[in-house]
Amino acid sequence: GAVVSQHPSWVICKSGTSVKIECRSLDFQATTMFWYRQFPKQSLMLMATSNEGSKATYEQGVEKDKFLINHASLTLSTLTVTSAHPEDSSFYICSARFRSDTEAFFGQGTRLTVV
Amino acid sequence: TQLLEQSPQFLSIQEGENLTVYCNSSSVFSSLQWYRQEPGEGPVLLVTVVTGGEVKKLKRLTFQFGDARKDSSLHITAAQPGDTGLYLCAGYWYNNNDMRFGAGTRLTVKP
Repeated sequence: GAVVSQHPSWVICKSGTSVKIECRSLDFQATTMFWYRQFPKQSLMLMATSNEGSKATYEQGVEKDKFLINHASLTLSTLTVTSAHPEDSSFYICSARFRSDTEAFFGQGTRLTVV
Repeated sequence: TQLLEQSPQFLSIQEGENLTVYCNSSSVFSSLQWYRQEPGEGPVLLVTVVTGGEVKKLKRLTFQFGDARKDSSLHITAAQPGDTGLYLCAGYWYNNNDMRFGAGTRLTVKP
């Protein structure tokens, strides 16, 4: 399958700081990228959908000013958690797909811990 | 928001037993994917089903897509401890660009 690389794999930050997570499609151009959040022993919850060159569409209840998403190129999307708090600690996962009728492939996830 | 129901959420069985996981929606899927996720990693795609009535096999795993494309099932034959993991179904719907996940089925196969 296609390769999606997510970086970093884990990060620990202090409360009040910002953290940027990168999601790259390495061998295909991703017109759409998705960002998910996963709590322990739970499924993936969609946070936002981003299409290259346009603003991300956020799910209800997800603060767009707190979770900044940029999809500036067909191979890179970033999620910035601004002014992080301990309750933002979670596993964040991105996925990317080439077209609307193709599968999405996932990054390996980023474990964020805010202390 | 499309509602995608997956069941059961937890399943603990003995090695050699069979099991079935179900995924369904009130709306028609344009396509449905099954993933498997290991702890601390991203989901890995197992299969995509698109055509109503479609059946796909992956070794001991059999995936079915309902005729009406509103439901799907994953059947594992003679489960092994290596099958332990979180199984997720995810779907696309015609009127929505998003891919959403079911609640997941956490499978434990005991030796």
